Amino acid sequence: GAGVSQSPSNKVTEKGKDVELRCDPISGHTALYWYRQSLGQGLEFLIYFQGNSAPDKSGLPSDRFSAERTGGSVSTLTIQRTQQEDSAVYLCASSSQGALARQPQHFGDGTRLSIL
Amino acid sequence: AQTVTQSQPEMSVQEAETVTLSCTYDTSESDYYLFWYKQPPSRQMILVIRQEAYKQQNATENRFSVNFQKAAKSFSLKISDSQLGDAAMYFCAYRMIYNQGGKLIFGQGTELSVKP
Repeated sequence: GAGVSQSPSNKVTEKGKDVELRCDPISGHTALYWYRQSLGQGLEFLIYFQGNSAPDKSGLPSDRFSAERTGGSVSTLTIQRTQQEDSAVYLCASSSQGALARQPQHFGDGTRLSIL
Repeated sequence: AQTVTQSQPEMSVQEAETVTLSCTYDTSESDYYLFWYKQPPSRQMILVIRQEAYKQQNATENRFSVNFQKAAKSFSLKISDSQLGDAAMYFCAYRMIYNQGGKLIFGQGTELSVKP
């Protein structure tokens, strides 16, 4: 597709369950970012992938959160043993450059995660 | 650490009028990028305008312009001839150039309503 694609669009799950969120970046984009947007808040950086380099995980809030990027393309964000405070919109973005930073990040529509 | 502050949680403007959204930031870096993103109810983050810190000239994009005051660390967005479609959340964001992989640091957002 032409843009960043995220699935599912919405996810409702019970506290304690594991969830997987998927991001398919724009073709050819080497940099991929995950952000979290809690209700009424700005976006909070979670993790960054650039090509085959080790990811920057400095924004992950706890060890229940992990992410991988297979083949330098699709990324999956996994939250284990979900808690109610994990309820948020999770946004993925990609860009054609990472560290050089000039190229803008293109965002997907996000996944709204609700923990019951 | 870098921070971005938007002191106006909500703003309102009459259609066809002009409105200015405020943003201040804190950094010890001399080179960086600043952005304004728009987030309509669809959740997708849309880039409105971008400013390179090394450029003294204020960026403009059609009806959108910025007032970049580097010494004051201020980066306000002016929307001229406001339209109903401008109603959205607006986020100011900062991005380092050479480090941290180009992750964006966001303010808390300003919700703009446009009255017909």
